[in-house]
Amino acid sequence: GQQLNQSPQSMFIQEGEDVSMNCTSSSIFNTWLWYKQEPGEGPVLLIALYKAGELTSNGRLTAQFGITRKDSFLNISASIPSDVGIYFCAGPRISAQKLVFGQGTRLTINP
Amino acid sequence: GAGVSQSPRYKVAKRGQDVALRCDPISGHVSLFWYQQALGQGPEFLTYFQNEAQLDKSGLPSDRFFAERPEGSVSTLKIQRTQQEDSAVYLCASSSRSGQGVNEQYFGPGTRLTVT
Repeated sequence: GQQLNQSPQSMFIQEGEDVSMNCTSSSIFNTWLWYKQEPGEGPVLLIALYKAGELTSNGRLTAQFGITRKDSFLNISASIPSDVGIYFCAGPRISAQKLVFGQGTRLTINP
Repeated sequence: GAGVSQSPRYKVAKRGQDVALRCDPISGHVSLFWYQQALGQGPEFLTYFQNEAQLDKSGLPSDRFFAERPEGSVSTLKIQRTQQEDSAVYLCASSSRSGQGVNEQYFGPGTRLTVT
């Protein structure tokens, strides 16, 4: 079935550094979503991408929809302590609204 | 309401007990989803409603799991005769937008179920 693979699985960075993570699939997706989840909370939608090659920003976050439609990238610039959490990529199964999620990238920031 | 709400936030059940988890979606949202999230994993789809109709229940792991949304707003996920492997966070999400935004799902805080 459709699966999303995220890398890296975890990141340990210094405050102020830029962060890059990616999500790949063996299948084509028509929509890519990036969520952030903090302990004890549900995932929060950060960015939605709808078109191959699209680059979308939300504050210090920038995400790209890969031109092959099989991957997506999320960058965080100038990281701050509140960026700590688990970042998930997700996309809808073909002909369905249910989302498939990656296994997440856990971001830890050293002040 | 301002967002998706779920209750209870935490539930401890003894093996074999029945549990009911409630979800209040964002007001006016047509679509409602249930996901199960195991520790250290991404959410996995359980079932989907459009208004009161359950259009997809392919993710329900066994016939012990049952979901309903009788009036097209609040939904309840029921688990009968709970087992230890049912321990997880159960997330509810809703979406409303038509067109390309239809897949933007907004999640509640989840219910953490622990079966002892």
